[in-house]
Amino acid sequence: DGGITQSPKYLFRKEGQNVTLSCEQNLNHDAMYWYRQDPGQGLRLIYYSQIVNDFQKGDIAEGYSVSREKKESFPLTVTSAQKNPTAFYLCASSNSGVWYGYTFGSGTRLTVV
Amino acid sequence: GQQVMQIPQYQHVQEGEDFTTYCNSSTTLSNIQWYKQRPGGHPVFLIQLVKSGEVKKQKRLTFQFGEAKKNSSLHITATQTTDVGTYFCAANFGNEKLTFGTGTRLTIIP
Repeated sequence: DGGITQSPKYLFRKEGQNVTLSCEQNLNHDAMYWYRQDPGQGLRLIYYSQIVNDFQKGDIAEGYSVSREKKESFPLTVTSAQKNPTAFYLCASSNSGVWYGYTFGSGTRLTVV
Repeated sequence: GQQVMQIPQYQHVQEGEDFTTYCNSSTTLSNIQWYKQRPGGHPVFLIQLVKSGEVKKQKRLTFQFGEAKKNSSLHITATQTTDVGTYFCAANFGNEKLTFGTGTRLTIIP
């Protein structure tokens, strides 16, 4: 079945360490997105990519980096510059950008101690 | 910045009662989508509204887009325990991004 796979489901890191979250899709979608979810704040856009080898900053890109070397993959790195990295991270993809429903992965819950 | 306000933040209803969540914007939207997130889960796409005054139904769920395309609502008739979760609207202001509301968490009292 087609879908989006995020791994791992839970991730623990020490403060000051960079960590990379994986996102892979086999839906043949062009657009991919990273959102951060905190309690009571909904989903906030970190980065998005509409085509391979191109990506744009979202609303809260500081302290994060991404790459889009393959259509299927859109990894997110949470760097040590991110002030409050503990959160639930969701990856999504879409067949036609904002004019088509997003398909979300099951998320990665990152805890930095 | 472009924001969409969603109310209420929480709603507790008796099973069988109706439920409504609202999203409001100060500027005209290109389109709006609705998602449901079950506890511990991820958002799942429900529907998209594009036209002014559009009304769409999915069984007990009714979605509306305002005439001015600045507000939208989701109404659930006769709630069931399977309706538990957080409902999000996601608005497009005519750019490449969706802006999500803060969500309405629905709990059902059996």
